[in-house]
Amino acid sequence: EPEVTQTPSHQVTQMGQEVILRCVPISNHLYFYWYRQILGQKVEFLVSFYNNEISEKSEIFDDQFSVERPDGSNFTLKIRSTKLEDSAMYFCASSSDNVNTEAFFGQGTRLTVV
Amino acid sequence: RKEVEQDPGPFNVPEGATVAFNCTYSNSASQSFFWYRQDCRKEPKLLMSVYSSGNEDGRFTAQLNRASQYISLLIRDSKLSDSATYLCVVNRQAGNTPLVFGKGTRLSVIA
Repeated sequence: EPEVTQTPSHQVTQMGQEVILRCVPISNHLYFYWYRQILGQKVEFLVSFYNNEISEKSEIFDDQFSVERPDGSNFTLKIRSTKLEDSAMYFCASSSDNVNTEAFFGQGTRLTVV
Repeated sequence: RKEVEQDPGPFNVPEGATVAFNCTYSNSASQSFFWYRQDCRKEPKLLMSVYSSGNEDGRFTAQLNRASQYISLLIRDSKLSDSATYLCVVNRQAGNTPLVFGKGTRLSVIA
């Protein structure tokens, strides 16, 4: 069964450093997303990406964040100048080009900022 | 008012019990509705989509009431493996728009 894969599974970084979280969406999907989940809280939308550009972003997704699809298969989330409050699980998701389609999630990257 | 609101739980039930989860959503324009399940420190996984006519998948039954903006999930004959957090999820608009998650209701099925 096709799946969304994310690397690394766990990233520890020092405050102020930059991190890049990587995702390989399901191959025939066209819509890509990043969500995050702070421990004990709900899953929150960060950004959606379609046709090589951001289609929607939340208020969380400020200038500290950026996304890229550098090579047609990987989908990355870059977080610059990390803060303690960026510590969370980051989930990548993808969905196909259908109406009312569900999103499939990767296993997540646990980011810990120390 | 929260966009998607769920029973806070947790629900602790014996094996074989029937358990019901309730969810309300605030945006009347919402088009798509789902129940996801999330195991501890894992990714959300789609359990089932929810349709206006109601739908059933084995021991799981989902209902949608658009007038009341209410979604439900019923699990019959609960198993130990059903222990997880159940997430009510809503898509604000038709098509591939971001999902809005409820905080989830934790279920523990006890032997």
